[in-house]
Amino acid sequence: DAMVIQNPRYQVTQFGKPVTLSCSQTLNHNVMYWYQQKSSQAPKLLFHYYDKDFNNEADTPDNFQSRRPNTSFCFLDIRSPGLGDAAMYLCATSRDQGDYEQYFGPGTRLTVT
Amino acid sequence: GESVGLHLPTLSVQEGDNSIINCAYSNSASDYFIWYKQESGKGPQFIIDIRSNMDKRQGQRVTVLLNKTVKHLSLQIAATQPGDSAVYFCAENRPRGGKSTFGDGTTLTVKP
Repeated sequence: DAMVIQNPRYQVTQFGKPVTLSCSQTLNHNVMYWYQQKSSQAPKLLFHYYDKDFNNEADTPDNFQSRRPNTSFCFLDIRSPGLGDAAMYLCATSRDQGDYEQYFGPGTRLTVT
Repeated sequence: GESVGLHLPTLSVQEGDNSIINCAYSNSASDYFIWYKQESGKGPQFIIDIRSNMDKRQGQRVTVLLNKTVKHLSLQIAATQPGDSAVYFCAENRPRGGKSTFGDGTTLTVKP
């Protein structure tokens, strides 16, 4: 029973062509996160939502945006993908802020051609 | 196949041996720590956690040790199995922040 679902699992986009990755959760968790992960490196947090409150990391490029229209769904928009944006994008949720583990989706592997 | 203290990017152990994976965290104010396991092509999966008021916590075949003096965390896996082969990440949470900062991963390979 998938709890954090990411679609698509693989996405190919062209250089400069906007792309949207989606994430949904069945856990009713308050917090949703987007991470970028390259080549077995540590996941790097891009931003997170605490309920409707958006929290951007200081070093997240403006090229990356996010939307959370409701509790269950969260989207990652890459406005003008560059070759350096090719990576695995991981969505995660946690019950609340504080001492709670995160539940990760399977990730979307983005290729930029 | 054990290594104590030093973070290694890769660790290879024989099936049935015990494994120790080490992690140094950066912020002395961090008060919650988690170990995640990431298998190839999958997202990280929670293994075990520990709060800063503890120095040891045990799960099924896994033990996490926390040394706040030297800001060091370790994950011990007993009787390592081929299914334990994965990349292991430690993560630290800062008070009230709710965000996890991930450390460098260790790739564990279990030889049959």
